Amino acid sequence: ETGVTQSPTHLIKTRGQQVTLRCSSQSGHNTVSWYQQALGQGPQFIFQYYREEENGRGNFPPRFSGLQFPNYSSELNVNALELDDSALYLCASSRRDSSKNIQYFGAGTRLSVL
Amino acid sequence: DQQVKQNSPSLSVQEGRISILNCDYTNSMFDYFLWYKKYPAEGPTFLISISSIKDKNEDGRFTVFLNKSAKHLSLHIVPSQPGDSAVYFCAASANFGNEKLTFGTGTRLTIIP
Repeated sequence: ETGVTQSPTHLIKTRGQQVTLRCSSQSGHNTVSWYQQALGQGPQFIFQYYREEENGRGNFPPRFSGLQFPNYSSELNVNALELDDSALYLCASSRRDSSKNIQYFGAGTRLSVL
Repeated sequence: DQQVKQNSPSLSVQEGRISILNCDYTNSMFDYFLWYKKYPAEGPTFLISISSIKDKNEDGRFTVFLNKSAKHLSLHIVPSQPGDSAVYFCAASANFGNEKLTFGTGTRLTIIP
């Protein structure tokens, strides 16, 4: 049990729609990172938020956006959904500036785009 | 450009024997390496990590070895148990873990009773 919770667990959307995924970070953590995991692949970094600011972004288009709130929880928003957006979306929380910065993952949100 | 590679998609090991999972990386900026274990329908679970200032780190049955000159790391599990059956991901980061994680594609480990 990592203390990182994600909602919803499963989601079905149609192409062109918009989706919001949510993540509550572990107590004491100040950083949230989002990853996309396609079937048979390792997780791919989308972006990271530290103290409510984006702190690094992977190779994802601008229709992927995020937010971090003062309580360090976070949202991932995806606009204009495409079929290829179907994947497991993982959130990880960590404490930046610690000597041993380990990212702890939630169970993920499985998004299906039809 | 795959900067972290796990060349063995699957591995089967007899219960009680040693499991060795391998990982190679290409980016010299990586200085922190982690192993995660993943069961179906769950998120990756952190197992063990190693900083580039060390060449070995142990935690119970798990040991990670880092060979910086070869840009290679390995995870040893001794003795292997049926509950170890899962997909194992190697991940790497720069700035001692403060940057994004770059993952390999995973190795599915099956422990045979």
